[in-house]
Amino acid sequence: TQLLEQSPQFLSIQEGENLTVYCNSSSVFSSLQWYRQEPGEGPVLLVTVVTGGEVKKLKRLTFQFGDARKDSSLHITAAQPGDTGLYLCAVLMDSNYQLIWGAGTKLIIKP
Amino acid sequence: NAGVMQNPRHLVRRRGQEARLRCSPMKGHSHVYWYRQLPEEGLKFMVYLQKENIIDESGMPKERFSAEFPKEGPSILRIQQVVRGDSAAYFCASSPIQRGGYNEQFFGPGTRLTVL
Repeated sequence: TQLLEQSPQFLSIQEGENLTVYCNSSSVFSSLQWYRQEPGEGPVLLVTVVTGGEVKKLKRLTFQFGDARKDSSLHITAAQPGDTGLYLCAVLMDSNYQLIWGAGTKLIIKP
Repeated sequence: NAGVMQNPRHLVRRRGQEARLRCSPMKGHSHVYWYRQLPEEGLKFMVYLQKENIIDESGMPKERFSAEFPKEGPSILRIQQVVRGDSAAYFCASSPIQRGGYNEQFFGPGTRLTVL
């Protein structure tokens, strides 16, 4: 059983549409990170959320950390082909260096 | 300021051969982490190293796998007698000296290992 469950696993939508992807767990975390990984490349950190209920915006991307700090969502407004990629959530274990990852949501934005 | 560099980007080995993956951390970073990503799966932590020290190798298979980060030169992940199940993307990440709280790890582009 994965510590972090991401849904959906795969999403293909048209350019201009809105979408939300999720990262859920039954555990409580002190922080949660979202990454984007493009084919053939390593993950790139998008944001870290720390406080329950926190909302962070990065241009058309909105990240929310659940009040109980067990889950998070990523909402993309007016998706563009450049948003295509694998979106991964990750949390740090108590060791403070070992990242635990979800399996990711593979997002394709069709022009 | 160059990012984390990994080479080779692609590596093909036959079963039983050795694979050596190299990672040069970002300038000024003294902490290196290795992760493995199997197809359709998230990344899995393998090992955490500082210069000349293995801090945590709890995610690395006990046999055939080893890692080092020498005083000079890149970090090396070595896989002996590779098997088909070792085929995966191997990512290296680096971070600066930790000053408490969470640390940001910067990832390299990965080495894609294919075992024939």
